[in-house]
Amino acid sequence: EDQVTQSPEALRLQEGESSSLNCSYTVSGLRGLFWYRQDPGKGPEFLFTLYSAGEEKEKERLKATLTKKESFLHITAPKPEDSATYLCAVLITSGTYKYIFGTGTRLKVLA
Amino acid sequence: DTEVTQTPKHLVMGMTNKKSLKCEQHMGHRAMYWYKQKAKKPPELMFVYSYEKLSINESVPSRFSPECPNSSLLNLHLHALQPEDSALYLCASSDSGRNQPQHFGDGTRLSIL
Repeated sequence: EDQVTQSPEALRLQEGESSSLNCSYTVSGLRGLFWYRQDPGKGPEFLFTLYSAGEEKEKERLKATLTKKESFLHITAPKPEDSATYLCAVLITSGTYKYIFGTGTRLKVLA
Repeated sequence: DTEVTQTPKHLVMGMTNKKSLKCEQHMGHRAMYWYKQKAKKPPELMFVYSYEKLSINESVPSRFSPECPNSSLLNLHLHALQPEDSALYLCASSDSGRNQPQHFGDGTRLSIL
């Protein structure tokens, strides 16, 4: 069965304390992996797309990497405004195209 | 501000009511999506429209009826909903390429009395 798992479920960091969020997947026919940020009461906001193992993308304090089994979202020197739920999603082809979201990591950055 | 606009932002309805959720995008995207999201859970795909044709229906109960009147608009018609249908309903759109990211609206918060 295709599965996408994120860890940790929740994370509290002090401002400036760097860390990584994990997205592990067991799927067949991976076509892309996407990272989103979701603030309370809002829709997910697109951050990155990764298509192949070894690929990396960066944006401000965020850096996303991809291997054959997992993706990491590295947050360098986070600020309180980085507090949000971070979701990964995989696009797979198993007969038809399918978009599967992970369970998310709730990040809280303390000032 | 999001480029996908959903109305209304909040909706309270009884189990016998009929209402509609609306979604609009002007990015020229040809794929549009409806998701349901419960608190502290990830979005669950409900329907996908590609070039204004329904391409995916994730076994959603018939009390939810999608409609795509044109390439910019997506509706979700609601009838005889149950209390467990209370959730945040998200609309998204993407370029026609299958591996393109989705752009989400801020959703409609639906409460069923």
